[in-house]
Amino acid sequence: DIQMTQSPSSLSASVGDRVTITCRASQNIDRWLGWYQQKPGKAPQLLIYKASSLPSGVSSRFSGSGSGTEFTLTISSLQAEDFGTYYCQQYNSYFRTFGQGTKVEIK
Amino acid sequence: EVQLVESGGGLVQPGRSLRLSCAASGFNFDDYVMHWVRQVPGKGLECVASITWNSDRKAYVDSVKGRFTISRDNAKRSLFLQMDRLRPEDTALYYCAILTGELGGGAFDHWGQGTLVTVSS
Repeated sequence: DIQMTQSPSSLSASVGDRVTITCRASQNIDRWLGWYQQKPGKAPQLLIYKASSLPSGVSSRFSGSGSGTEFTLTISSLQAEDFGTYYCQQYNSYFRTFGQGTKVEIK
Repeated sequence: EVQLVESGGGLVQPGRSLRLSCAASGFNFDDYVMHWVRQVPGKGLECVASITWNSDRKAYVDSVKGRFTISRDNAKRSLFLQMDRLRPEDTALYYCAILTGELGGGAFDHWGQGTLVTVSS
């Protein structure tokens, strides 16, 4: 199975800060990567697909980049409602694997 | 409206079995790979099992291989997870999900509300 490693595991930032989360794949996954946001008690919501595409309705302050084995999720200007846990997920194979998550807290 | 509704969770003793079901509506069920994803309360997401649209391929996370079986019935628009020889570490919220599919060139990603499985004596 393809292993996904995220960093950092948690971060605390202020409203307006630029936030970056990194995800590494154990093998080349081209651009078959998604990013999710999960809030407590809720199912995850897809933020980014194909490494850098935004689903309709997702704020443009979220952006993704990368290909191959290195990927980044950036929140350009952190908002109070952006708290939660963020996960990367590869879909290079039909069996999906997730990163371990990054918990984002608002200072 | 896309809906994925799980059922079948509950409290079960170690070593016993449980069968989860997921009823799908609002989309072409047989167009998509389907997944069961679990989450231990307070922990991360883990894809437990995946099945292709015509059931020709199935895959499992190592910790459940030989104990869990994923299946689907396209005519009934339903996904299943047969869980045998359950262990306490299988305790989690189990989601039925379409993960990073595509529709009309855009993303198609949907999750159910989850069904809680508790394995305890």
